[in-house]
Amino acid sequence: SQTIHQWPATLVQPVGSPLSLECTVEGTSNPNLYWYRQAAGRGLQLLFYSVGIGQISSEVPQNLSASRPQDRQFILSSKKLLLSDSGFYLCAWIGSGSYEQYFGPGTRLTVT
Amino acid sequence: GNSVTQMEGPVTLSEEAFLTINCTYTATGYPSLFWYVQYPGEGLQLLLKATKADDKGSNKGFEATYRKETTSFHLEKGSVQVSDSAVYFCAPTRPYSGGGADGLTFGKGTHLIIQP
Repeated sequence: SQTIHQWPATLVQPVGSPLSLECTVEGTSNPNLYWYRQAAGRGLQLLFYSVGIGQISSEVPQNLSASRPQDRQFILSSKKLLLSDSGFYLCAWIGSGSYEQYFGPGTRLTVT
Repeated sequence: GNSVTQMEGPVTLSEEAFLTINCTYTATGYPSLFWYVQYPGEGLQLLLKATKADDKGSNKGFEATYRKETTSFHLEKGSVQVSDSAVYFCAPTRPYSGGGADGLTFGKGTHLIIQP
């Protein structure tokens, strides 16, 4: 069966520090991968999605970037964090031929 | 693009009460429709889905019917439990742009609180 992992689970970082969040999927190949951010108001904002290795689509201009170095690995990064980057970051995947999206457990990021 | 409207709440009900969470959407074409549930501190879980008009999705006592004429996908449950307390998200598929699946459009979520 397929599983999706995210780490770390929680992170506290100072303003101006770099960020790297990792997401990996097991049990499937060539998934579409997504990064969402959920701010305090509970709504979900799509940040990036990827349909293959090295292919990244950005939804909104921001302080973050994403990379997909391997088929089942999706990384969210920042060179310098802002206070407004705080939130709950969720990774998700969709298998080929499906619209059902499956989410990881999330990373809670607090920028101080 | 798509948009989703759902009550944000919190919606507070007593145990065993009947639940309705309204969801209406605007979308191009004929999207598939989903309800997701998020328990405190966790990621989202797929609750149910419907892929065409008049389809009824159901799971764990929850139901929702794809109403194309009213562009709605209201979530219902006949008798809620304390364990149903969570945030519920309605989500149609985004328009397919030809470059791959573009994910889902999520509503802001409805916070449901069930009191014993």
